[in-house]
Amino acid sequence: EAGVTQFPSHSVIEKGQTVTLRCDPISGHDNLYWYRRVMGKEIKFLLHFVKESKQDESGMPNNRFLAERTGGTYSTLKVQPAELEDSGVYFCASSQLRTGELFFGEGSRLTVL
Amino acid sequence: EDQVTQSPEALRLQEGESSSLNCSYTVSGLRGLFWYRQDPGKGPEFLFTLYSAGEEKEKERLKATLTKKESFLHITAPKPEDSATYLCAVQARGGSYIPTFGRGTSLIVHP
Repeated sequence: EAGVTQFPSHSVIEKGQTVTLRCDPISGHDNLYWYRRVMGKEIKFLLHFVKESKQDESGMPNNRFLAERTGGTYSTLKVQPAELEDSGVYFCASSQLRTGELFFGEGSRLTVL
Repeated sequence: EDQVTQSPEALRLQEGESSSLNCSYTVSGLRGLFWYRQDPGKGPEFLFTLYSAGEEKEKERLKATLTKKESFLHITAPKPEDSATYLCAVQARGGSYIPTFGRGTSLIVHP
């Protein structure tokens, strides 16, 4: 069974540019989460989807971040325009039930110069 | 607001030298406490779930325990392959059930 896959694994962009991160959850997992880890800090929650619906987006930093989950399958996280403080590793996780037992992808490292 | 504090931040052990990692938490009613292992360049990998004080879970050289205020991850006779960052997360009752993570403990086991 395929795990959670994320693309790209690493992205380097200039400040002001746009980046789109993609996450393919485990098939059949209705719950999809985005987290972010900034260097030296804890993994922080960004938002949670149940199927295609946003259940909780309280962790989204500001309106430069836009997440979508088309048809309840894969999800994208767009940052537009990117700022220096957006640099970090963006993790996607999925689960079948709404528990803390999450299956994580390997992360997308974003570097904003 | 839920809080998770892990200590120490980093730990170096010799192979076979047992030790414990700590996870202190503040949550308005604990639904579950979770331990994860994260290898460099990888995402966190789930290890254990603990639900109530007094509960223990074991897997190979790892044993997780839970009290009302903290959890310990005991590592018995560690091997170099146990080197990783160990993350603790809590999930509160009610609300959105979103797990809150600590910063982790970076463990290095020297041969």
